[in-house]
Amino acid sequence: AQSVTQPDIHITVSEGASLELRCNYSYGATPYLFWYVQSPGQGLQLLLKYFSGDTLVQGIKGFEAEFKRSQSSFNLRKPSVHWSDAAEYFCAVGGSGGSNYKLTFGKGTLLTVNP
Amino acid sequence: DGGITQSPKYLFRKEGQNVTLSCEQNLNHDAMYWYRQDPGQGLRLIYYSQIVNDFQKGDIAEGYSVSREKKESFPLTVTSAQKNPTAFYLCASLDGYTGELFFGEGSRLTVL
Repeated sequence: AQSVTQPDIHITVSEGASLELRCNYSYGATPYLFWYVQSPGQGLQLLLKYFSGDTLVQGIKGFEAEFKRSQSSFNLRKPSVHWSDAAEYFCAVGGSGGSNYKLTFGKGTLLTVNP
Repeated sequence: DGGITQSPKYLFRKEGQNVTLSCEQNLNHDAMYWYRQDPGQGLRLIYYSQIVNDFQKGDIAEGYSVSREKKESFPLTVTSAQKNPTAFYLCASLDGYTGELFFGEGSRLTVL
């Protein structure tokens, strides 16, 4: 069964500091990997995704993530955090399961940004 | 604008009552999903549907039911059999070309 672990429940950073959110996954084949962001009381928005190819993927809002197969990780990074980045971030894993395609989400990391 | 519309945004229910949450999409996506979100629990899959008139149970289907009579619509019924229904419910549809899920704004159900 596929699964996702986000080890950090809550992270606090200062505005302008760098950010790394961790994600480890379990999947039996080549995974499809995603990072989503959620503002309070809202739906989720896709930040970036990895299907194949270059292991460093760029997303919206200046975020990037690196797929490391040997470590089963897909960590999210941003060089300089803005106050508007405060939100909850979810990592998700899926696969080329055809008609049975579904995503499994981690429990999320809440990001607080201090001025 | 294309997207997913969930209604109502807030809903209160007495114990023992069934309630139906609406989800409509105009993205022409075949697959649709219902997730439940509780604080600190992430998103858990309730039901999903790949095509009209077909759906499968997710990880926490007990106490819920769905239908998929039209491509655009995937309503979720929270039945009185659901022991702890208070939660935030998210509907999503899948872009089959990109693998991206598109989410609605969610419905918050509170059982009094």
